[in-house]
Amino acid sequence: EAQVTQNPRYLITVTGKKLTVTCSQNMNHEYMSWYRQDPGLGLRQIYYSMNVEVTDKGDVPEGYKVSRKEKRNFPLILESPSPNQTSLYFCASSLLSRGPYYGYTFGSGTRLTVV
Amino acid sequence: AQSVTQLGSHVSVSEGALVLLRCNYSSSVPPYLFWYVQYPNQGLQLLLKYTTGATLVKGINGFEAEFKKSETSFHLTKPSAHMSDAAEYFCAVSSGDSSYKLIFGSGTRLLVRP
Repeated sequence: EAQVTQNPRYLITVTGKKLTVTCSQNMNHEYMSWYRQDPGLGLRQIYYSMNVEVTDKGDVPEGYKVSRKEKRNFPLILESPSPNQTSLYFCASSLLSRGPYYGYTFGSGTRLTVV
Repeated sequence: AQSVTQLGSHVSVSEGALVLLRCNYSSSVPPYLFWYVQYPNQGLQLLLKYTTGATLVKGINGFEAEFKKSETSFHLTKPSAHMSDAAEYFCAVSSGDSSYKLIFGSGTRLLVRP
């Protein structure tokens, strides 16, 4: 089944403790992206990647890092999480070769709470 | 810059009634427009999208939307609501730049009353 898999689904952590949220897709998509969802704000892009070793900042990149060493994986790293990073996070992927905006496939989300 | 406004954070309808969720956009380039649905504890699922061509777009689960350039609108409709339609709905517009990102509205939660 074609899908984007995020882990973990739920995570509670303490301020300053480094964490990684994993994202993997099995569709050979070039494009991958991370969004955060906050009430009343919709979804905002954190980082995106056009292909392996090509990443760039989105609208709200502060406090986050990403890497794209393999085409299928796009982990989101919080080096020193803070309470304002408490949010619902989504990974998405898309097949650029079929044209931009062909259609994103979203993961099921990771609900992160930083205390 | 591109932006999306969804009127009404909550919309409540009776089962069988018309569903109308409003979306207005701002775009400096010809837009691609999308509606996504999010069921509780799930990711976003594409309902429908407008890229080019026919301005009335049909999607899954009986939903459709009409692109009206003169009104900069892309409202989502369904003739008859089902209980299973209760979810949060997001309108999105293409960024029009090399990031290929989608710019989302703040969402509308649809409640369906029995």
